[in-house]
Amino acid sequence: DSGVTQTPKHLITATGQRVTLRCSPRSGDLSVYWYQQSLDQGLQFLIHYYNGEERAKGNILERFSAQQFPDLHSELNLSSLELGDSALYFCASSVGDGRGVDTQYFGPGTRLTVL
Amino acid sequence: EDQVTQSPEALRLQEGESSSLNCSYTVSGLRGLFWYRQDPGKGPEFLFTLYSAGEEKEKERLKATLTKKESFLHITAPKPEDSATYLCAVQALGENSGTYKYIFGTGTRLKVLA
Repeated sequence: DSGVTQTPKHLITATGQRVTLRCSPRSGDLSVYWYQQSLDQGLQFLIHYYNGEERAKGNILERFSAQQFPDLHSELNLSSLELGDSALYFCASSVGDGRGVDTQYFGPGTRLTVL
Repeated sequence: EDQVTQSPEALRLQEGESSSLNCSYTVSGLRGLFWYRQDPGKGPEFLFTLYSAGEEKEKERLKATLTKKESFLHITAPKPEDSATYLCAVQALGENSGTYKYIFGTGTRLKVLA
């Protein structure tokens, strides 16, 4: 158990809908990272927050947004969902701000299925 | 274009048969290379961080090495419980000053037969 928690574990929804995924980092970690893992594409870095501020952006679609709250938990919002958004979404956390080499610890993931 | 390539895609070993997994990378400004183990349907589990060419790290039956162009994960006398997907990732400088990016390879699926 990495200490990173994610809810829900599974989510099934329809195209065009909006969902929110939640992540709580390990105790003491200030950084939260979001990743998407599809069968054919591997892990894709989406976005990184450090202590409430956005620090780095990867291949995140405009339909997706994220934020990190004062208690350091983070939410990933996915809207206007398409079939291709079906994937595993992982959250990871780390102690540092990402400018130094910083080990990331991953949560168990949320499996999103868009029908 | 920055890229991380892992080979082979899949590997079947007999218990006790040592082998190596490869991670080759083409990135500008490598800051660190990470190895993770991922079991089906679960989140990646951290194994090693390597910072510079020539560095080596060991943990039980696993040993990771790093050169300027690639990293190897050596598995000595593997056991069936070592079966998993092994992921390699790099942290590299981003396009804009002060930014960075994380790039994962697609992994090597290892199956160790008893």
